[in-house]
Amino acid sequence: EPEVTQTPSHQVTQMGQEVILRCVPISNHLYFYWYRQILGQKVEFLVSFYNNEISEKSEIFDDQFSVERPDGSNFTLKIRSTKLEDSAMYFCASSEGGGGAQETQYFGPGTRLLVL
Amino acid sequence: GENVEQHPSTLSVQEGDSAVIKCTYSDSASNYFPWYKQELGKGPQLIIDIRSNVGEKKDQRIAVTLNKTAKHFSLHITETQPEDSAVYFCAASSPWNNDMRFGAGTRLTVKP
Repeated sequence: EPEVTQTPSHQVTQMGQEVILRCVPISNHLYFYWYRQILGQKVEFLVSFYNNEISEKSEIFDDQFSVERPDGSNFTLKIRSTKLEDSAMYFCASSEGGGGAQETQYFGPGTRLLVL
Repeated sequence: GENVEQHPSTLSVQEGDSAVIKCTYSDSASNYFPWYKQELGKGPQLIIDIRSNVGEKKDQRIAVTLNKTAKHFSLHITETQPEDSAVYFCAASSPWNNDMRFGAGTRLTVKP
């Protein structure tokens, strides 16, 4: 069964450093998402991406964040200058068609980011 | 924007009993309501969803009900088993934007 994959599974970085989290969505999916989950808290929407541009972003997704689809398979989340409060689990998700967030989203296993 | 509230935050039941988790939403335009199960160390996995054109949907031991007027929806798990133990999240989205808002989660423990 196709699945969303994410790398790395864990990342430790120093405050102020840049990190890039990588995701490979399910191959025929058109919508891509990033969410974060601070330990013990709810899953929070960051951004949705469709047709090579941001479709929607939350108030959390400020200028420190960016997303990119550098090739036909990868979808990346970049945090330019990490802060302690960026420590969280980051989930990538994808959905199949033009219904966007109205369609079933398939989540990856997550990347646990720890900022020291 | 949409705000989703979920209760209870923790729920403990005996194996074989039923479990009910409730969510409310604020945006009357929301029309898609999925439920996710998250096991330790894994990403959320969709277990059932409902759209606003139906009031109830069932899949084996799992059912979801939706009351559009009251803006609340519930997950019902019957004949619970220890492997149902996980964190369950409700979520809501509207056709007007491409984000999905999650509830705070319910940690369900099924005791054998």
